[in-house]
Amino acid sequence: QQQVKQSPQSLIVQKGGISIINCAYENTAFDYFPWYQQFPGKGPALLIAIRPDVSEKKEGRFTISFNKSAKQFSLHIMDSQPGDSATYFCAASVKYGNKLVFGAGTILRVKS
Amino acid sequence: GAVVSQHPSWVICKSGTSVKIECRSLDFQATTMFWYRQFPKQSLMLMATSNEGSKATYEQGVEKDKFLINHASLTLSTLTVTSAHPEDSSFYICSASAPGQGLGETQYFGPGTRLLVL
Repeated sequence: QQQVKQSPQSLIVQKGGISIINCAYENTAFDYFPWYQQFPGKGPALLIAIRPDVSEKKEGRFTISFNKSAKQFSLHIMDSQPGDSATYFCAASVKYGNKLVFGAGTILRVKS
Repeated sequence: GAVVSQHPSWVICKSGTSVKIECRSLDFQATTMFWYRQFPKQSLMLMATSNEGSKATYEQGVEKDKFLINHASLTLSTLTVTSAHPEDSSFYICSASAPGQGLGETQYFGPGTRLLVL
């Protein structure tokens, strides 16, 4: 019940296209859903996060869509660029500042 | 704001020796710090959670006597890998959170430390 399932494992998108990564969870107590971007040999960096009281949050080219009833959330990267090529992790946590449960990660490659 | 540093970024040691990794929050006071390890092409695995001035809480399967965690101040936590063996070779990443300090509820991650045990 603590798992966060992430798909796909890898994704290849053409430059300018839309990258979509999906996550699903079971624990209805989760109330914080961040997305992290990680480049090889670096620590993860927070991209965008959402709480379940909103269905969508947009920051620049990055959008989180959240479906509380389906217990799913997704990351959309608009106008994908080669510099977006990285590994993306979704995560979830219960309560404020608590430990995160991570998805397995998605390796994104944007072809120029 | 919300910068977390780790030192060293790379360490190579001989089997049987101990290695200490430092994690610092540079511009905020971290009430809670987390330690993760990450194997190649895998996700982050939480090892332990530490709060300043108290004992760390270890995840199931993580040997607390092998991975010693000290959170001596609100800006510093250390992870010591004792009697390291080749199977301990991994990427160790810390993160810090500071609820109630205007940084939201997120965790801010350090750049990671690559440990290679020969």
